[in-house]
Amino acid sequence: GEDVEQSLFLSVREGDSSVINCTYTDSSSTYLYWYKQEPGAGLQLLTYIFSNMDMKQDQRLTVLLNKKDKHLSLRIADTQTGDSAIYFCAETRFGGDKLIFGTGTRLQVFP
Amino acid sequence: DAGVIQSPRHEVTEMGQEVTLRCKPISGHNSLFWYRQTMMRGLELLIYFNNNVPIDDSGMPEDRFSAKMPNASFSTLKIQPSEPRDSAVYFCASSPRGAYEQYFGPGTRLTVT
Repeated sequence: GEDVEQSLFLSVREGDSSVINCTYTDSSSTYLYWYKQEPGAGLQLLTYIFSNMDMKQDQRLTVLLNKKDKHLSLRIADTQTGDSAIYFCAETRFGGDKLIFGTGTRLQVFP
Repeated sequence: DAGVIQSPRHEVTEMGQEVTLRCKPISGHNSLFWYRQTMMRGLELLIYFNNNVPIDDSGMPEDRFSAKMPNASFSTLKIQPSEPRDSAVYFCASSPRGAYEQYFGPGTRLTVT
């Protein structure tokens, strides 16, 4: 199976909070990332968290990491239509030299 | 900072033709990655370089694919001969330190007819 798993779709109303979830399998993960891909564009690094942290907040974005359950989430407060995109979770592992990407979650924001 | 630059942005070619995709990484970054994205397979790592040296090309699908990095500011991905199943968006990414904090280019959308 996939090393990094995400649900495929999420639909939210503008102004609500969005929570995008990700699970990974390797306990040696060192950094975990969230990337955003808008239509026709490349992946944009949104934020990342080191594996010894539980939470990281950056303006409207909050990343939560549960190492015990190998679960990562991205919360977007006050979701806007401009947040509509595909969001990828990714990890690097200790001594690793590659990013392992999830399948991506397509976030749709409706008025 | 101009970010990662890729060219061309779009390429349409006929089956059997040679295709060359180009990438200029962010200045000062010592790692460069080539990815391919399709609906069916998602995002796949093809090859990556550290300090201009290819480290892992296990993701390169076939011998028809080759990549070079002659210097720190330029890399190419070549497909010869191209096939319709090579149609995809090809991304280049660079990083200041290995796999961490990769910055992606806008991609090249390749269509092989």
